[in-house]
Amino acid sequence: DTGVSQDPRHKITKRGQNVTFRCDPISEHNRLYWYRQTLGQGPEFLTYFQNEAQLEKSRLLSDRFSAERPKGSFSTLEIQRTEQGDSAMYLCASSPTVQANTGELFFGEGSRLTVL
Amino acid sequence: AQKITQTQPGMFVQEKEAVTLDCTYDTSDPSYGLFWYKQPSSGEMIFLIYQGSYDQQNATEGRYSLNFQKARKSANLVISASQLGDSAMYFCAMREVTGNQFYFGTGTSLTVIP
Repeated sequence: DTGVSQDPRHKITKRGQNVTFRCDPISEHNRLYWYRQTLGQGPEFLTYFQNEAQLEKSRLLSDRFSAERPKGSFSTLEIQRTEQGDSAMYLCASSPTVQANTGELFFGEGSRLTVL
Repeated sequence: AQKITQTQPGMFVQEKEAVTLDCTYDTSDPSYGLFWYKQPSSGEMIFLIYQGSYDQQNATEGRYSLNFQKARKSANLVISASQLGDSAMYFCAMREVTGNQFYFGTGTSLTVIP
């Protein structure tokens, strides 16, 4: 297993276009998270899946954002009608089911989005 | 209120010296976990160390140790014998037992000077 992988690593798009990012978590991890990180800031929570169920969404996730995790394996994050403010690094992380609150997140290398 | 506060935007340390990165947190949950991550310029978030709220002893992982002061709600990261490769952003994070989110601070940029 090679860890969490994300694709594409970089995406440059024009305002108004749709983009989709893919995340493949560590295979035995049933929890999957999406975070957004802008320059000089910490990661901001977007959404969380346990298996295929999307259990939590941030207010940051506007109607233009949608995330899926069919079959509880890989996940996709789609941004429709991109805006310049969407330019950021989109981080995916996975975690195994843990007792209480232990268990760190394992992050992918991120997908950097630039909206022109 | 911010869940995680990191008040040091940037820190400098001489190579081979120790450095402390500050982190305070805010929660009313009795059970929570505290984490530190390193983010080099390549962008990947690398897990460093974990401290559980009920752990009696401070966590240590090699050159990293966590100075956990529960009453003060602080979880400072201590890096001993700094190396040039330690230059990176460092993020403190918390996970509450009642939720699914990890809350991250704004980070501290550490520069190790040769």
